[in-house]
Amino acid sequence: EVQLVESGGDLVQPGGSLRLSCAASGFTFSGHEMNWVRQAPGKGLEWVSYIHNSGTTIYYADSVKGRFTISRDNAKSSLYLQMSSVRPEDTAIYYCTRGPGYYFDYWGQGTLVTVSS
Amino acid sequence: QSALTQPTSVSGSPGQSITISCTGTSSNFGTYNLVSWYRQHPGKAPKLILYAGNKRPSGVSDRFSGSKSGNTASLTISGLRAEDEADYYCSSYADSSPLFGGGTKVTVL
Repeated sequence: EVQLVESGGDLVQPGGSLRLSCAASGFTFSGHEMNWVRQAPGKGLEWVSYIHNSGTTIYYADSVKGRFTISRDNAKSSLYLQMSSVRPEDTAIYYCTRGPGYYFDYWGQGTLVTVSS
Repeated sequence: QSALTQPTSVSGSPGQSITISCTGTSSNFGTYNLVSWYRQHPGKAPKLILYAGNKRPSGVSDRFSGSKSGNTASLTISGLRAEDEADYYCSSYADSSPLFGGGTKVTVL
């Protein structure tokens, strides 16, 4: 069974940093592209970032470019999102998702990031 | 890029069919039909129900179907059931950038 389990969400002050993690199991992690998608409270979905199987190709949404960094460790079947210079508008549930970007076939349960002073 | 436009809400009675539209621009949808649709129940993670326009992942009911005409994609749910009450999101893909619609709340009367 495919499982994606996020962790690392927390309350962080504006301008601060936070690292999210996603532990994958039930499939060959190194064989799949991965993404982060977020959802602000009561709002819709917003794609955040994509990383290719090998980690050599990475894309970001304009809203996070230059502030967030996506990475992966295939040996640990783990996906990461390093968040820096966070803003109140980054407050959201962050979902780890599997897929090429034109679809996301598995989603984790999400981890809540709250940016507030 | 602006979000794709979906109706805020759609409702129907059990057994009926409903259609949710998803409108964008030619630049939103790109050359190929790479539209996907997701269902999200309250407090839960979204679930993929259609991809590449009209392909269903394993285990998804054939009551869900998709189509696209010009710059508008559509999701049709036939034989509406109580369990279909949820939020539905469309997504397009162009220039290596996924884009979501604002979401549609489906109410089963």
